[in-house]
Amino acid sequence: AQTVTQSQPEMSVQEAETVTLSCTYDTSESDYYLFWYKQPPSRQMILVIRQEAYKQQNATENRFSVNFQKAAKSFSLKISDSQLGDAAMYFCAYLRDDKIIFGKGTRLHILP
Amino acid sequence: GAGVSQTPSNKVTEKGKYVELRCDPISGHTALYWYRQSLGQGPEFLIYFQGTGAADDSGLPNDRFFAVRPEGSVSTLKIQRTERGDSAVYLCASSLTRTDYGYTFGSGTRLTVV
Repeated sequence: AQTVTQSQPEMSVQEAETVTLSCTYDTSESDYYLFWYKQPPSRQMILVIRQEAYKQQNATENRFSVNFQKAAKSFSLKISDSQLGDAAMYFCAYLRDDKIIFGKGTRLHILP
Repeated sequence: GAGVSQTPSNKVTEKGKYVELRCDPISGHTALYWYRQSLGQGPEFLIYFQGTGAADDSGLPNDRFFAVRPEGSVSTLKIQRTERGDSAVYLCASSLTRTDYGYTFGSGTRLTVV
C-alpha cells in the first residue's frame, strides 16, 4: 500500500523564523516523485516543490527546501524566513502510476 | 484558458438530487484528474482521464459517481441520488502527458448536500 503520513496536524511559527514540516511515506518502489503542495483558503492547491527519488540532492525553491531521506522514507519541508503569506495547509504527496496520493495535511500558522 | 476553471464554485443541493460539476482544464493538457477533499482531509483520487478515455476510475466510491470527458477537454463529474456524505470540495486538476511535474489544480467546487 502507498501511504503518506503527516504527523503534525498544526504548527505555528513566528514571522521571519524557520519551520520544518514532517512527512513520511511508504513505498516498495525505487523510482518515484514527491511533492509538497500548499492550499490557502482559496482552496487551490499550489505546487511548492518537487523531488525526484533518484536524485540525492535535496530540492530547493527560494525559501523552501526539503530534507529527503530515501532510506528512512522521509520528506520534510523547511520554510525559511516565514512570511504571513505562508499561512496555509501544506500537503505532502507521492506520485505513482500517474496518480498523486496526498497526506492529511499540516495547518501552518504564522505569528506576527 | 490560463488556469483550471471549475464551476460552480459552490453548490447546495437536497439529498437525493442529481448534480453535475464542471471542469475546464488548461488548454492543451491531455490529462485530467478529479479529487474529493472532505473536511480536514487531504484530497482523495477519484478518476483520471487521458484524452477522452478514463485511464483509471478506481477511486470512484460507488456507481452513483460518474465522469465524462467527451471531447478530451472539458470534463463533468456527475453524482446521482446525492447523500449527505457526498458533501466535500471536489477538485479538478490537469497536466501535460507527463505528470511527474505535478498537476495544476482548480479552486474546486464545494458541494453541500442538505
